Amino acid sequence: AQKITQTQPGMFVQEKEAVTLDCTYDTSDPSYGLFWYKQPSSGEMIFLIYQGSYDQQNATEGRYSLNFQKARKSANLVISASQLGDSAMYFCAIFSLRGTSYGKLTFGQGTILTVHP
Amino acid sequence: ETGVTQTPRHLVMGMTNKKSLKCEQHLGHNAMYWYKQSAKKPLELMFVYNFKEQTENNSVPSRFSPECPNSSHLFLHLHTLQPEDSALYLCASSHRTGATYEQYFGPGTRLTVT
Repeated sequence: AQKITQTQPGMFVQEKEAVTLDCTYDTSDPSYGLFWYKQPSSGEMIFLIYQGSYDQQNATEGRYSLNFQKARKSANLVISASQLGDSAMYFCAIFSLRGTSYGKLTFGQGTILTVHP
Repeated sequence: ETGVTQTPRHLVMGMTNKKSLKCEQHLGHNAMYWYKQSAKKPLELMFVYNFKEQTENNSVPSRFSPECPNSSHLFLHLHTLQPEDSALYLCASSHRTGATYEQYFGPGTRLTVT
């Protein structure tokens, strides 16, 4: 079974500062991927960034970067230069094909990020 | 292109009612998913359809009945629900992106069972 743990129920950050959201995972699959999604109060899940288990370099997408430490089974999200619009719930998820042709995601409990002006 | 759409966005129903949630995508994706998001819980995968065939049912009670008439549409039929079924129901579709399958989510239907 796959498991994602997000130990920070809530985080606060000052506008324009960087923040790290923690994510640890557990899987027995040799090949997998880590996703981060943002969920504003409107409810929609917005894809932010993806890291494959065999990717050598940490993924980056604009102000988002993923600090992937495979040996420690962690995939922390770093948001640089926080903006007020970054206030939302953030979910880490692990992807695996697991014998399917479409793949499945297992989500963590989420972290609520609040950006202060 | 509006991605994945869901209707209605909000639904209040009594325990004896029958209602349906609708999900639509015109992204050309072959896999579609229903998730349940309860307060303070991780997203729970309910059903998966791949090429219109149901491939996953994660021990979901029979009062939830999915239907996938074609690759673009997915329904969740609801009947005799319980108050604990109140949640945000999210639909997603996926396609292959390199070595993974990125899931695109709809805005969700917030369901309240009274």
